[in-house]
Amino acid sequence: DAGITQSPRHKVTETGTPVTLRCHQTENHRYMYWYRQDPGHGLRLIHYSYGVKDTDKGEVSDGYSVSRSKTEDFLLTLESATSSQTSVYFCAISESIVAGEGNSPLHFGNGTRLTVT
Amino acid sequence: GESVGLHLPTLSVQEGDNSIINCAYSNSASDYFIWYKQESGKGPQFIIDIRSNMDKRQGQRVTVLLNKTVKHLSLQIAATQPGDSAVYFCAEKEGAQKLVFGQGTRLTINP
Repeated sequence: DAGITQSPRHKVTETGTPVTLRCHQTENHRYMYWYRQDPGHGLRLIHYSYGVKDTDKGEVSDGYSVSRSKTEDFLLTLESATSSQTSVYFCAISESIVAGEGNSPLHFGNGTRLTVT
Repeated sequence: GESVGLHLPTLSVQEGDNSIINCAYSNSASDYFIWYKQESGKGPQFIIDIRSNMDKRQGQRVTVLLNKTVKHLSLQIAATQPGDSAVYFCAEKEGAQKLVFGQGTRLTINP
């Protein structure tokens, strides 16, 4: 599992409550990502980080925020959870994924299944 | 990639046979492609990757073929084993930090 730990593995929460998911890596990789996976869609990027305190939005970032205070930790926060955010959330890491010679694959954690009731 | 998808294309093969899983990609400018395997309850696992300046790349029991003319990618698994049962999906890199994932194919191994 490429040294990636996601916590919690499962969570049920109520609409309107804040939720924070944690991703911890032991690989010292620069890039970290949060994806969600839903039936009928491929994995979709929520936010990513290219270094400590450096983050950017992905394609489905509305309703989510992230923070990266240390290389090894990347937090995803749902400020006020909605039922549409029920999903499986995956954290991923990579050494690099830029154009040219720096291509490298993403390595994923085992996911957090979040249910918003 | 959908480990939770209900209507994924399915490929059933006999144990010991070779499997071929196909993927059509959309962007002719994509320069890097990855195949992932996802077992139930787990995250996607990297299998093999290929750059657009290559047509073929081999790994252990797996081969990826890239046909840029028709924007087609395939994953060949030799001598399929029960442990190969999973959802397989491809990803294409359309730009920096932008991977686009396919929805996947469910591979089922018959004993």
